[in-house]
Amino acid sequence: EVVVTQSPATLSVSPGERVTFSCRASETVNSNLAWYQQKLGQAPRLLMYGASTRAAGIPARFSGSGSGTEFTLTISSLQSEDSAVYYCQQYNDWPRTFGQGTKVEI
Amino acid sequence: QVQLVQSGSELKKPGASVKVSCKASGYTFKSYAMNWVRQAPGQGLEWMGWINTNTGTPTYAQGFTGQFVFSLDTSVSTSYLQISSLKAEDTAVYYCARASGPKRAFDFWGQGTMVTVSS
Repeated sequence: EVVVTQSPATLSVSPGERVTFSCRASETVNSNLAWYQQKLGQAPRLLMYGASTRAAGIPARFSGSGSGTEFTLTISSLQSEDSAVYYCQQYNDWPRTFGQGTKVEI
Repeated sequence: QVQLVQSGSELKKPGASVKVSCKASGYTFKSYAMNWVRQAPGQGLEWMGWINTNTGTPTYAQGFTGQFVFSLDTSVSTSYLQISSLKAEDTAVYYCARASGPKRAFDFWGQGTMVTVSS
């Protein structure tokens, strides 16, 4: 199976800062990679699909890039409501696999 | 608007069974596959498998065979997850999540159902 690895595990940041998350796949997933945001006590929400396309209603401060095995999610100016765990997921191959998540503390 | 509404929390004893429902609304049920995802307490997301809402054919991830069954009732646009022979380690939040095709992200999620297994 495709192993998806995220780094770092935790980020402590201040509002207004630029934040970058990394996601690496053990083999190519082309651009079939998604990012999800999960706030405490809530279900995950789709942020990004196709590695770089924002889902409906997602603010423009979120952007994604990468293809193949290396991907990044960037929040250009962190807001307090962005405190959450961020997961990447590959949907190129079976089984679908998620990274272990990056927790953002503000 | 698209909604996936799951059934409420369950408290079960070891060895019992549970059936979690996921009722879809706001879209054509058969146009989207339904996935199931498990999240153990304090842990990450784990894909359990999916069910083809056109054919009813389920596909299970490794580690989710035998004890777990996906099913549908298309007449009420509802997907089900049944878990039998419950063990303490099955304690988790279970999510349904739709995808528009084989190589598509999960664009809408249910609110999750907490299943607690305790004697």
